[in-house]
Amino acid sequence: KAGVTQTPRYLIKTRGQQVTLSCSPISGHRSVSWYQQTPGQGLQFLFEYFSETQRNKGNFPGRFSGRQFSNSRSEMNVSTLELGDSALYLCASSFVVGYEQYFGPGTRLTVT
Amino acid sequence: KNEVEQSPQNLTAQEGEFITINCSYSVGISALHWLQQHPGGGIVSLFMLSSGKKKHGRLIATINIQEKHSSLHITASHPRDSAVYICAVRSQHFGNEKLTFGTGTRLTIIP
Repeated sequence: KAGVTQTPRYLIKTRGQQVTLSCSPISGHRSVSWYQQTPGQGLQFLFEYFSETQRNKGNFPGRFSGRQFSNSRSEMNVSTLELGDSALYLCASSFVVGYEQYFGPGTRLTVT
Repeated sequence: KNEVEQSPQNLTAQEGEFITINCSYSVGISALHWLQQHPGGGIVSLFMLSSGKKKHGRLIATINIQEKHSSLHITASHPRDSAVYICAVRSQHFGNEKLTFGTGTRLTIIP
């Protein structure tokens, strides 16, 4: 069974731009969660989707948004990028909400 | 005070030693996760616990819900166990569930 895949793996953007990251869950998994990891704040929860609906949300500004498609693939979008958005963005999938999560390799975003 | 506290922050041990990493939390939880992160960023879920004890190979995780405390033990430690170990708790706030992470324990096993 293929694992969780994230694209792109690395990305460099300029302040003020927007970015879209993609996550493909393990086949059969219907829940996708997104996390941000920075050296200063560690791992932080962004949001969690199940059946195309956002079920839970972390404490991030509205510039961070996401969506889930009918095939369970998910995208997250960050608009008006700030230098502080430079981070490793991790996606994790699970069978349903609350089950064990399987993490993707992450997308490393650098904002200059 | 953080909702999730881990100790120690750093741990260096000799190969073969018994390792214990602790996690304390301050909120009611539905589950606790132990994660392993190797250099380069990849995260592996080791355990998800809501009560009692789980064992997988040389790894053992326990949780005491009343004391709001969990431990991760590694028996017969090996240099390949060197990684950052992260505790995370799933809790609910006004109908919204979220995962809150500890800051991690950096484990180094010396051959």
